[in-house]
This record gives sequence, C-alpha cells and structure tokens, in this order.
Amino acid sequence: QKEVEQDPGPLSVPEGAIVSLNCTYSNSAFQYFMWYRQYSRKGPELLMYTYSSGNKEDGRFTAQVDKSSKYISLFIRDSQPSDSATYLCAMSPKAAGNKLTFGGGTRVLVKP
Amino acid sequence: GAVVSQHPSWVICKSGTSVKIECRSLDFQATTMFWYRQFPKKSLMLMATSNEGSKATYEQGVEKDKFLINHASLTLSTLTVTSAHPEDSSFYICSAKPRDEKLFFGSGTQLSVL
Repeated sequence: QKEVEQDPGPLSVPEGAIVSLNCTYSNSAFQYFMWYRQYSRKGPELLMYTYSSGNKEDGRFTAQVDKSSKYISLFIRDSQPSDSATYLCAMSPKAAGNKLTFGGGTRVLVKP
Repeated sequence: GAVVSQHPSWVICKSGTSVKIECRSLDFQATTMFWYRQFPKKSLMLMATSNEGSKATYEQGVEKDKFLINHASLTLSTLTVTSAHPEDSSFYICSAKPRDEKLFFGSGTQLSVL
C-alpha cells in the first residue's frame, strides 16, 4: 500500500463546475499538507499549504484536512479551462525537513 | 512566492556523456535543496537532499556515483548525470525553501539520452 493514494483520473468537468480532488494517506505522522498544480513538462506550483486539520480558503481554492480520517481535499470553484492540469497532493511530518511524500497526481480537464 | 530557477529546461545527449543541471534560488538563500525525478504520468520521486557545504543525502536505490550533487553556495545546487544511458531519460525537478515552511519547485529539466 502506498503512503499517499490519489485517483489518477482523468477528471473531466465543464467550465464553471466545482472540481473536487482528494487524497488519503496512511502515515499518521503527517502534519503538513500541500496541493500543487503541475502543467505538462513544468515544475509543480504550490497552490495551498495547510497545517493539521481544518479548512483553508484562498480565492477559488479551498483545502480541507481531516486527520481523523487521514483524508485531504481540494476544491476548485468556478473552474476555468486554464485549470486543466495535474494536481498533486503532498505531505510531510514536519515543516523544517520538507521531505515531501507525493500522491500520484490527478489529471483534470476543464472543458469550455 | 519565492523563485527557483532551473537550467536547462531540456537537454538531449548521447549515451555515455555527462549532463549537468543547475538549480538556483533567485531571491532567497537555501541551505537545503531537493532533487526529484518524474516519469511520464507519474508522481515525483525524491532522489536526494542537497546540503550546502556538505555531502548530499541520497534516497534508497539512487546511485551516488551516477547522480552527482554539488551544493557549493546558498543559492546554487547542481545535479550531474554521469555516463548517461537511455534509462536515465526522465524529467528532473529541483526544489528549495526559504525560511518559512513552503517548498518551491524549479521548472524542471527534460533529459533525453540517445
């Protein structure tokens, strides 16, 4: 079993819809949770960064962490074709170390 | 956000030659940088942790003599793929972090070994 599980997709949604992404993990030591967006042949771009359980909102993006269920989510509201990319969840047991464990990534396609 | 610059963005080389990839933190100092490898439609796999002024720490299964890492300054780490072979063809990405907890990535280098 992988430490971090993420559905590879592809996830296809119409423009304007809500994109819902999630990851599950098995290591209870993970405390820091991140979501990255990666366009083809580019480096990952940090979207959201959260610590422990709870919600965090930034513009059209909302990240949720449920440590009791070992489950994290990312929601993208009012999706745009430019949101089409691969979304990677990542997590770490501590901030200072920053050895991230990544999910496999979910490919998202937003159709105009 | 912080800027991490990676160069070159793509490189093609002949089998048996060596290739150097540079990773620079442009607006912050980074005592630690990370090197990842990514295969098509796969996630990032950490190869090694680059430490300024000391030896890199390699992940299990990564050949130290094949992937040479040098972190000579607080803003530059280099990865050299020595005696490259077609199986080394991959997308290589570096990352670094400023003082806060967030990690930023370079734009990646696509290596193709013929």
